[in-house]
Amino acid sequence: EDKVVQSPLSLVVHEGDTVTLNCSYEVTNFRSLLWYKQEKKAPTFLFMLTSSGIEKKSGRLSSILDKKELSSILNITATQTGDSAIYLCTRGGSEKLVFGKGTKLTVNP
Amino acid sequence: DGGITQSPKYLFRKEGQNVTLSCEQNLNHDAMYWYRQDPGQGLRLIYYSQIVNDFQKGDIAEGYSVSREKKESFPLTVTSAQKNPTAFYLCASSITGIGEKLFFGSGTQLSVL
Repeated sequence: EDKVVQSPLSLVVHEGDTVTLNCSYEVTNFRSLLWYKQEKKAPTFLFMLTSSGIEKKSGRLSSILDKKELSSILNITATQTGDSAIYLCTRGGSEKLVFGKGTKLTVNP
Repeated sequence: DGGITQSPKYLFRKEGQNVTLSCEQNLNHDAMYWYRQDPGQGLRLIYYSQIVNDFQKGDIAEGYSVSREKKESFPLTVTSAQKNPTAFYLCASSITGIGEKLFFGSGTQLSVL
């Protein structure tokens, strides 16, 4: 059965800290790995990764895929209170998209 | 503006009652999805559809039903057979449905009276 595992499940940091969120997957027919941010209601898209070793960046957020290790990390530098959210990862490759349980990040001032 | 609209935002169900959650998109996407979110559980797939008049069960389809009579619409019915329906329900769509990014609606919070 396809499985996506995120760690840690919960993380509390202070503003200015750097955090690393992890996502590992056990899948066949892998095509992509996607990260989303969910602040209140609708998750919003962050990154889609298809190639191993190529970092994608958006401001203070960056992500990279390691196909050999079947994993991906999401880094957030100089965290702000507005980064507080649930971060979800999912793998693409079939129509039956599988999500991890998410990492709940709390950034305290 | 293009997007996905879910309604209502809040819904209450009485015991033994069927309720229907609405999901409409004007993005011209082929694929649509329903997810259930419980605290600490991430998103779990209920049903998905890649084409009109066709849909597939996800991991937790029991107690739910869907229809896809129009490309724009993918309503979800929570039947009385679903014994624990209290959850946050998210509808999503994607262009073709294979490994692409999803566009989400704002969700419906369903509670049992």
